[in-house]
Amino acid sequence: AQSVAQPEDQVNVAEGNPLTVKCTYSVSGNPYLFWYVQYPNRGLQFLLKYITGDNLVKGSYGFEAEFNKSQTSFHLKKPSALVSDSALYFCAVIWGTYKYIFGTGTRLKVLA
Amino acid sequence: DADVTQTPRNRITKTGKRIMLECSQTKGHDRMYWYRQDPGLGLRLIYYSFDVKDINKGEISDGYSVSRQAQAKFSLSLESAIPNQTALYFCATSDSSSSYEQYFGPGTRLTVT
Repeated sequence: AQSVAQPEDQVNVAEGNPLTVKCTYSVSGNPYLFWYVQYPNRGLQFLLKYITGDNLVKGSYGFEAEFNKSQTSFHLKKPSALVSDSALYFCAVIWGTYKYIFGTGTRLKVLA
Repeated sequence: DADVTQTPRNRITKTGKRIMLECSQTKGHDRMYWYRQDPGLGLRLIYYSFDVKDINKGEISDGYSVSRQAQAKFSLSLESAIPNQTALYFCATSDSSSSYEQYFGPGTRLTVT
């Protein structure tokens, strides 16, 4: 079955430290992978995507993600976390031609 | 995203009542979606529409119906609300001619008592 897993419900990191939010997927064929962020009382906002090409993709707000086909992972990273990065992060994958599958979300808390 | 609006933003209703959630977009996108968000479950797709005449069930469509009144409008109805439909509901849009990312409305918090 097609699926997306975010193994951590919450990630805590100190401000200024690098952060990683993990995502693994299981889909047949070539995946289209996405990261979205949700701030309180807001809808999801698109951060970045991998469709094809360079395995390291850069997105909004200094975030980047690395596509690793052998490990079926697409971890979100940022070199230096900000308190304002605290939010709920969702990994998603498209399989087939249109079906989005979202992970269960990871709450990132950046501590001052 | 101000380009995708949802009404109402909050709603409390009683079991058995019919309720409609509305979504409008000014992005000119052809595809529209309804999701519900529950803590620990992420987002689950209720219905999606690729154009006005193309409406499809998602993974959890039971108890819901939709109407695509125009390219810019996509409504979700709960015919007879039940408490386990208490959730945060999101509308989203995407453009079939571009790169698949979705644009979300601000959400409707629905409580069924």
